[in-house]
Amino acid sequence: GQNIDQPTEMTATEGAIVQINCTYQTSGFNGLFWYQQHAGEAPTFLSYNVLDGLEEKGRFSSFLSRSKGYSYLLLKELQMKDSASYLCAVSFAGNTPLVFGKGTRLSVIA
Amino acid sequence: DAGVIQSPRHEVTEMGQEVTLRCKPISGHDYLFWYRQTMMRGLELLIYFNNNVPIDDSGMPEDRFSAKMPNASFSTLKIQPSEPRDSAVYFCASRSRGSYNSPLHFGNGTRLTVT
Repeated sequence: GQNIDQPTEMTATEGAIVQINCTYQTSGFNGLFWYQQHAGEAPTFLSYNVLDGLEEKGRFSSFLSRSKGYSYLLLKELQMKDSASYLCAVSFAGNTPLVFGKGTRLSVIA
Repeated sequence: DAGVIQSPRHEVTEMGQEVTLRCKPISGHDYLFWYRQTMMRGLELLIYFNNNVPIDDSGMPEDRFSAKMPNASFSTLKIQPSEPRDSAVYFCASRSRGSYNSPLHFGNGTRLTVT
């Protein structure tokens, strides 16, 4: 199978830092994407990792460890507008469609 | 760039009725995907096309579901007859051929309610 696991829900305080983890089965791994989805809207692309290490984009960073089958999305200086679901998606062998995790619903509170 | 366009945004229908969802991908994108999203199962791939040809429809739940892509700028997903368990948000997405790291671009989805 191609199970992708991430926590169902998380809550964090405005201005804080939050880390959302994602684990996946490593066989055939090609790359990992993070998407953001606000309630009632479409998922939008945040980041892509294919090599080990940290990719930074402003307040958002994404980390990958290929050998461990592990990624995380790091959100800094949280804002209320960051309340959304965050979807981890993996590209497996060949040019096959992305497989999505069920998403982590993040609530940012004052 | 208008993005991926789906219609209708909302559809409410009675069990047994036929439902047709429509999608216009981003111009120049070679791949088109239909996903279904529910709270319980998340985003599930139903079918995808490459250059208008269906490549993998193993995610289509049953024969009640069918999808077509008659040309590069239009695709439909049809459910006939519809059932209450089909209630979900249906997303269409497209991406360019590029490499496998080309991100998906999603439409705004169709929220289907079958009563």
